Amino acid sequence: KQEVTQIPAALSVPEGENLVLNCSFTDSAIYNLQWFRQDPGKGLTSLLLIQSSQREQTSGRLNASLDKSSGRSTLYIAASQPGDSATYLCAASGNTPLVFGKGTRLSVIA
Amino acid sequence: GAGVSQSPSNKVTEKGKDVELRCDPISGHTALYWYRQSLGQGLEFLIYFQGNSAPDKSGLPSDRFSAERTGGSVSTLTIQRTQQEDSAVYLCASSKNPVGGLGNTIYFGEGSWLTVV
Repeated sequence: KQEVTQIPAALSVPEGENLVLNCSFTDSAIYNLQWFRQDPGKGLTSLLLIQSSQREQTSGRLNASLDKSSGRSTLYIAASQPGDSATYLCAASGNTPLVFGKGTRLSVIA
Repeated sequence: GAGVSQSPSNKVTEKGKDVELRCDPISGHTALYWYRQSLGQGLEFLIYFQGNSAPDKSGLPSDRFSAERTGGSVSTLTIQRTQQEDSAVYLCASSKNPVGGLGNTIYFGEGSWLTVV
């Protein structure tokens, strides 16, 4: 059974810092690793999807990497801004629907 | 529609009543998913539809929970005899392709916030 873990559970950084969020999964037989953002009281917004055959994906200031063999993914956020404050969730899918980590709650302080 | 649409956005119900939550997926998306998010908890998978059939309903917590999908589009999640522990956000999502494919991005709605008093 797939299990997804995210570390740290919460992170507070000053504006402008680069930061890394970590995600690990127990079953490497995945097809996709997807990163989401959730603002308080809102649904999930898809940020990036990395296919199992890929090593990384980039969108603007976001870069997600995948090391399938070691069961790890990272989300790198460059030059963080207060508007980046949210909970970031990673989720892995294989032959079953997405399995989610519990998220990292990010606060970017102006 | 442009995105996944869920209704109601908020629902307060008395313990013991039945509730129905509706999900309208992105047009053309064949796969539909229901998840539950309780306060301070992660997302819990409930059920997955491919077309009108549900190949995976392993996450439904009890027989009080049921879901259906008609016409390969709209889905309804029904909770009978609601209990206080059912209070949560119920999130619906859809994807163009079935589970098990590369590059299958999943899109979520804003959720239905259920409070059982």
